[in-house]
Amino acid sequence: DGGITQSPKYLFRKEGQNVTLSCEQNLNHDAMYWYRQDPGQGLRLIYYSQIVNDFQKGDIAEGYSVSREKKESFPLTVTSAQKNPTAFYLCASSIFGGVDSYSNQPQHFGDGTRLSIL
Amino acid sequence: GENVEQHPSTLSVQEGDSAVIKCTYSDSASNYFPWYKQELGKRPQLIIDIRSNVGEKKDQRIAVTLNKTAKHFSLHITETQPEDSAVYFCAGGEGSQGNLTFGKGTKLSVKP
Repeated sequence: DGGITQSPKYLFRKEGQNVTLSCEQNLNHDAMYWYRQDPGQGLRLIYYSQIVNDFQKGDIAEGYSVSREKKESFPLTVTSAQKNPTAFYLCASSIFGGVDSYSNQPQHFGDGTRLSIL
Repeated sequence: GENVEQHPSTLSVQEGDSAVIKCTYSDSASNYFPWYKQELGKRPQLIIDIRSNVGEKKDQRIAVTLNKTAKHFSLHITETQPEDSAVYFCAGGEGSQGNLTFGKGTKLSVKP
């Protein structure tokens, strides 16, 4: 979707280095998500945020950090503690339907960032 | 937490045939089940979704069925075309947090 922009498209990390992946959306969506995609593994949730200044760990949060200072932006930092960072990283956003039994809303994805180790 | 299993991992069909991909989920609280199509190196695109208050949903050549009792849902593609070739992912969500659990994907190849 044109409303979600991830940058850069390709990123290389040196040993011991932290790198930050950018995700910006102009869809006025409340919720944003970060996924990691490895071959044959599907999409695994790293972090998600339903509202500004709040975020939750997903299934594989170790070695990653996020911030949500603005509604439009949800950057992901891959820290040096993440020993196997090589993967395709996808950011998504959705309307947050609220805390009730039918609150899931369709998630729309960016084009992804491919991270490799130098 | 939720666990979503997807089968088969690869599927090859002849153009014009039907393709069926099946997913099972573990959390009976899950109530939202989207399907995504991802072409090589590109973003996943939502193709159809279904909520647990509906048993079937159709959009042209694509349909999804849901069996809440058995906790499984399936994607049906009829009259397949070469441009249907891609990796398809199912997912399940229970709503309270808004996040989804994805299956590992099915690589569909449609041969002309």
